[in-house]
Amino acid sequence: KAGVTQTPRYLIKTRGQQVTLSCSPISGHRSVSWYQQTPGQGLQFLFEYFSETQRNKGNFPGRFSGRQFSNSRSEMNVSTLELGDSALYLCASRDGILGTYEQYFGPGTRLTVT
Amino acid sequence: KQEVTQIPAALSVPEGENLVLNCSFTDSAIYNLQWFRQDPGKGLTSLLLIQSSQREQTSGRLNASLDKSSGRSTLYIAASQPGDSATYLCAVQVQGAQKLVFGQGTRLTINP
Repeated sequence: KAGVTQTPRYLIKTRGQQVTLSCSPISGHRSVSWYQQTPGQGLQFLFEYFSETQRNKGNFPGRFSGRQFSNSRSEMNVSTLELGDSALYLCASRDGILGTYEQYFGPGTRLTVT
Repeated sequence: KQEVTQIPAALSVPEGENLVLNCSFTDSAIYNLQWFRQDPGKGLTSLLLIQSSQREQTSGRLNASLDKSSGRSTLYIAASQPGDSATYLCAVQVQGAQKLVFGQGTRLTINP
């Protein structure tokens, strides 16, 4: 099976703009989670979607949003970009909603805000 | 609030040595613990998953243990190789919150 894929891999945006990142999970996986990785804060949970419904949300401002489509692909959107949003954004998928399932991560999207 | 700590933050050893990376967590209410490897600028590669009911898992030269009652896990790497150089992250799957909480990682360098 193909792994988790994320597009684009690299992105440069200007403060105030908005950005949309895409994630395709492993075939058959219905749960998709998003994480932000920065040198200062490490890896932090953004949100999780399962069957097109947001199941859990981390402690991020409302500028960060996401959605999941019927084919389990997910997008996350960041509006009104700030310099501090520069980070590696990682997507993970798993086979089910239960916490016992293993998470598989994609290669990430490197977002740079100037 | 679950907190995960990894010690040491960085480790440099000569090739061939056996080594141990440590991970501790504050709340034992977890589903499982995963060890990941991250190469610079790349995503996370899952190494081992230990369910909360298990004590250890092995894959090749890697062995991970879990002591949920004391909130500790160790990753043992046998006969280290330069290709093992990477950042190693541990993460716990938190019950109820359905999310992974990560440690800050151990940056490992294996010198030829």
